[in-house]
Amino acid sequence: AQKVTQAQTEISVVEKEDVTLDCVYETRDTTYYLFWYKQPPSGELVFLIRRNSFDEQNEISGRYSWNFQKSTSSFNFTITASQVVDSAVYFCALSEARRNTPLVFGKGTRLSVIA
Amino acid sequence: DGGITQSPKYLFRKEGQNVTLSCEQNLNHDAMYWYRQDPGQGLRLIYYSQIVNDFQKGDIAEGYSVSREKKESFPLTVTSAQKNPTAFYLCASSMEQGGLINEKLFFGSGTQLSVL
Repeated sequence: AQKVTQAQTEISVVEKEDVTLDCVYETRDTTYYLFWYKQPPSGELVFLIRRNSFDEQNEISGRYSWNFQKSTSSFNFTITASQVVDSAVYFCALSEARRNTPLVFGKGTRLSVIA
Repeated sequence: DGGITQSPKYLFRKEGQNVTLSCEQNLNHDAMYWYRQDPGQGLRLIYYSQIVNDFQKGDIAEGYSVSREKKESFPLTVTSAQKNPTAFYLCASSMEQGGLINEKLFFGSGTQLSVL
């Protein structure tokens, strides 16, 4: 069965610090997709990234970067030089290609960036 | 603007009452979803639909019902059989690529349901 674990429930950092949000996943499928979403206080989830299981290249987008390691079944998300606007709940999610299943989400990590 | 509209933003249910949450999208997406969010529990899938007049149960479908009579609309009814309905409900949609629903989800702004 597919499963996503975000062990960090809440994280607090001071503005300009770097922070890494952990995501560990379980799947028996060889083809799968991993996602990160941001949920600001307004409630609507905002898509950040989608990565397929065959693409292990790390990705950087501005202050955001993602480290995908199949060997450890992890897809971690790092925010560099955090800002107050980064305060939100962040969700990691997994979808299996063979079973064609909707996204399964982790429980989320609440990030608070303090000025 | 294209997007997903959920209404109402806040909803209150009395004991024994059925309530319906609205979800409309103008993105021309084939697939639509309902997730429930409880504090500290993440998002859990209630129902999803890949095509009009067809839908599948998710992990926590008991006490809920849906319909998909139009491509743009996927209303969720919380029935009296759902004993703990207080939660934040999120509707989402996605494109399908060759029947696959692994594309990114677009979310509405959610409905907070509370029991009086």
